[in-house]
Amino acid sequence: SQQGEEDPQALSIQEGENATMNCSYKTSINNLQWYRQNSGRGLVHLILIRSNEREKHSGRLRVTLDTSKKSSSLLITASRAADTASYFCATVMYNNNDMRFGAGTRLTVKP
Amino acid sequence: DTGVSQNPRHKITKRGQNVTFRCDPISEHNRLYWYRQTLGQGPEFLTYFQNEAQLEKSRLLSDRFSAERPKGSFSTLEIQRTEQGDSAMYLCASSSALQETQYFGPGTRLLVL
Repeated sequence: SQQGEEDPQALSIQEGENATMNCSYKTSINNLQWYRQNSGRGLVHLILIRSNEREKHSGRLRVTLDTSKKSSSLLITASRAADTASYFCATVMYNNNDMRFGAGTRLTVKP
Repeated sequence: DTGVSQNPRHKITKRGQNVTFRCDPISEHNRLYWYRQTLGQGPEFLTYFQNEAQLEKSRLLSDRFSAERPKGSFSTLEIQRTEQGDSAMYLCASSSALQETQYFGPGTRLLVL
């Protein structure tokens, strides 16, 4: 069963705008990861945030984690057409090796 | 290219046939995972190997599914007596014991007619 739920399901923005995607989950986690998937391709790891961390940055990506609300957000700043893809959050629980993915947010960045 | 390869990339088969997929992980990774992804959904965990040992299996992995990793390197996923509901993308990922990031292959897209 899937653990995370992304919101919104789809997001369409203009190039240069910021894109924010949210993820909620149900159980306590060890870490939460964000992945990107271009249409029909494999997943590419973007960023990992541990349960004791609140915010991480990587280039134009900013991820926050609120364990009290069981939620995370991914912010992509100054978006580009090449950012068009599906974005998934995935949670890893303690003493567990499998990742649980949400259904993803489909981001479209219009040039 | 993450370094994880999967073959074939596409497979079309008739209902009732058996199919086998192969995954070659990053060479120094001792952990290997299989996921299934249907259209519009995120990947769903199927099974996990550490070296050659299969340590976890999802309830999604019915008795028609079997996975092996005989020498702790490449892995195969076999589906027997395929059903139309098996149509999906089958993804393989690998990781090392020292890091939690999983590196995904490009997937094998299965269509059962």
